[in-house]
Amino acid sequence: DAGVTQSPTHLIKTRGQQVTLRCSPKSGHDTVSWYQQALGQGPQFIFQYYEEEERQRGNFPDRFSGHQFPNYSSELNVNALLLGDSALYLCASSYRGPGVNEQFFGPGTRLTVL
Amino acid sequence: ILNVEQSPQSLHVQEGDSTNFTCSFPSSNFYALHWYRWETAKSPEALFVMTLNGDEKKKGRISATLNTKEGYSYLYIKGSQPEDSATYLCAFPATGTASKLTFGTGTRLQVTL
Repeated sequence: DAGVTQSPTHLIKTRGQQVTLRCSPKSGHDTVSWYQQALGQGPQFIFQYYEEEERQRGNFPDRFSGHQFPNYSSELNVNALLLGDSALYLCASSYRGPGVNEQFFGPGTRLTVL
Repeated sequence: ILNVEQSPQSLHVQEGDSTNFTCSFPSSNFYALHWYRWETAKSPEALFVMTLNGDEKKKGRISATLNTKEGYSYLYIKGSQPEDSATYLCAFPATGTASKLTFGTGTRLQVTL
């Protein structure tokens, strides 16, 4: 089992550009959550996808959007990039079953906006 | 707005020392608390999921306790080793299963020889 994978590992963009980050969940997982970790902070929740729909959203502007595909993989899109979007973007997957579900994280994509 | 706080922010110990850190969270509407270990350039690794007041969990030299009435959890590392060097994060889900996690800022542990 490859666990949660993310691509690319690193990305450099300039202000105003658009970026797409990708995530493949752990085998058997159906829910994907995205988090942003800025320097010196804990990961901040962006949104969560289940059954190809956005189910929960954190305090992020509409420039942040996502998608989940029938195979449960997911994309995070950020439009009109700002310098402040520079961060590590983490994807986490889980199975939406009864009880407490652990979220398993990928290694992240490091986005630098110049 | 959930507020999850961790202390200390960073810790530097010698190999063989035992250490502990704290995670504070809202005590009302408690559902679960997650502990993660995050080594540089790797994925955050789930250590424990704690759900019951008085819970104590152990994995090797690492253990954790939970007090939901007063809203804190302690993580203990006995006989620290250099490979324990990592950032330790606690996270609190807002609601039930598969819910968004609110993370603390983490405790960065460095263990030197």
